[in-house]
Amino acid sequence: EPEVTQTPSHQVTQMGQEVILRCVPISNHLYFYWYRQILGQKVEFLVSFYNNEISEKSEIFDDQFSVERPDGSNFTLKIRSTKLEDSAMYFCASRAALGLVYEQYFGPGTRLTVT
Amino acid sequence: GQQVMQIPQYQHVQEGEDFTTYCNSSTTLSNIQWYKQRPGGHPVFLIQLVKSGEVKKQKRLTFQFGEAKKNSSLHITATQTTDVGTYFCAGPRGGSNYKLTFGKGTLLTVNP
Repeated sequence: EPEVTQTPSHQVTQMGQEVILRCVPISNHLYFYWYRQILGQKVEFLVSFYNNEISEKSEIFDDQFSVERPDGSNFTLKIRSTKLEDSAMYFCASRAALGLVYEQYFGPGTRLTVT
Repeated sequence: GQQVMQIPQYQHVQEGEDFTTYCNSSTTLSNIQWYKQRPGGHPVFLIQLVKSGEVKKQKRLTFQFGEAKKNSSLHITATQTTDVGTYFCAGPRGGSNYKLTFGKGTLLTVNP
C-alpha cells in the first residue's frame, strides 16, 4: 500500500538555526499538507499546497515558515530561525485530487526538538 | 474561528466495556472525518461522514453524524486492547474541504 514518508524521523537543532523537514507524498496525490502536534496536544493545521502554491495557511504559519516542492516527489517545510516553541511532531499529509472522500494520508512524522 | 470540541479528553475502560467519544462543532460541517492515532504513531483515517443523520459501522465501531451536522460520535462496542489510542474528529476549516480542524482528541486506554 502506498504511504507518505518523512525524513528525518528526529531532528535536534539549536534555537535560531534553520531546519528543513522532508516529505515524499503518495505519488498520484495532488494536495499536500503540513501539520504539527505539540506533545500531548491536538494536531494543528499549518499549510496546504496545491498546484505548486500555498492554497491555505494558518496563523501559526508565519514568515519563519516556508514550503516548497522542489521536484516531482519531495515536499519540504523550512523553518528559518527555530524557536523553543517550535519543538513538536511535524506531520506531512497528502490527498488524492479525485473523489468525494477527503481522506488525508499522514506520514510517520518528524520529531523536532529545539534546544 | 471554527472550534471543534471533543469529550471526554481521557477514557479508561476495562476490556470488553463500551466506549463513546463525542465531537461538537461551533459551525455546521459539510463533512466530518475520524482519525485514530496510536501512541507514538501518526493519525490514520477511519471514516468520513457527509449526510445529516448518517450512521456508518466498521465492525465494532459505529459513527454517527448529527441531524444538524454540528456533532458526531464514535462508539466502540466491547473494547479490545488494540483499540488503545487517541481518536480525533476533524472538520473542514472555513468551509474548505481541503484543510482540517482537529478536535483535541479522546485518549482511550483499555485495561486487559
